[in-house]
Amino acid sequence: DAMVIQNPRYQVTQFGKPVTLSCSQTLNHNVMYWYQQKSSQAPKLLFHYYDKDFNNEADTPDNFQSRRPNTSFCFLDIRSPGLGDAAMYLCATSRGRTSGGDQETQYFGPGTRLLVL
Amino acid sequence: AQTVTQSQPEMSVQEAETVTLSCTYDTSESDYYLFWYKQPPSRQMILVIRQEAYKQQNATENRFSVNFQKAAKSFSLKISDSQLGDAAMYFCAYRVNFGNEKLTFGTGTRLTIIP
Repeated sequence: DAMVIQNPRYQVTQFGKPVTLSCSQTLNHNVMYWYQQKSSQAPKLLFHYYDKDFNNEADTPDNFQSRRPNTSFCFLDIRSPGLGDAAMYLCATSRGRTSGGDQETQYFGPGTRLLVL
Repeated sequence: AQTVTQSQPEMSVQEAETVTLSCTYDTSESDYYLFWYKQPPSRQMILVIRQEAYKQQNATENRFSVNFQKAAKSFSLKISDSQLGDAAMYFCAYRVNFGNEKLTFGTGTRLTIIP
């Protein structure tokens, strides 16, 4: 089945130690998103890629970076995690502005829960 | 800027009964999409239903239906014959049709199903 996959599901890191979360998709979607979600809150968009074009949200801290080496993979790098970065990180995809239906629906992965010690 | 408001932080319903979750939004756009997403505890966020603003007919998906009132900017979700598996956080979301790939989420409604 086509899907959005996130690894690992749980990640423990130390304060200040760089960490990378990964996302892959078999949907062949043009757009990939990274969200941060804290307990009982709505997801907060950090950034998204439309193909290779990177779109950063104005309030996303510089501590968060992203890479998209190809259509299928997208990475979230947290350069120096702080205690406040402990959260669920969600990856999502959408088709983007292409022909065909359902261009706008976002499909989410299961998330990676990050714990910072 | 677009905003989405879910005024019910928590709702509960008896199993097999019907419940309605409310959502209002603010936009100056005329062409947009609205979504309801479901996020069960510690599980994946999944799409429940979507509505295209230019379609007057309310979307339905099995036991889930919406009441879309474009003039009032209201987009409520009705769940019929509630089941234990419907227990989740429900997020209402908005997206303009052109020029922006972003979703604007509401703050969510936590739905509890009472056996």
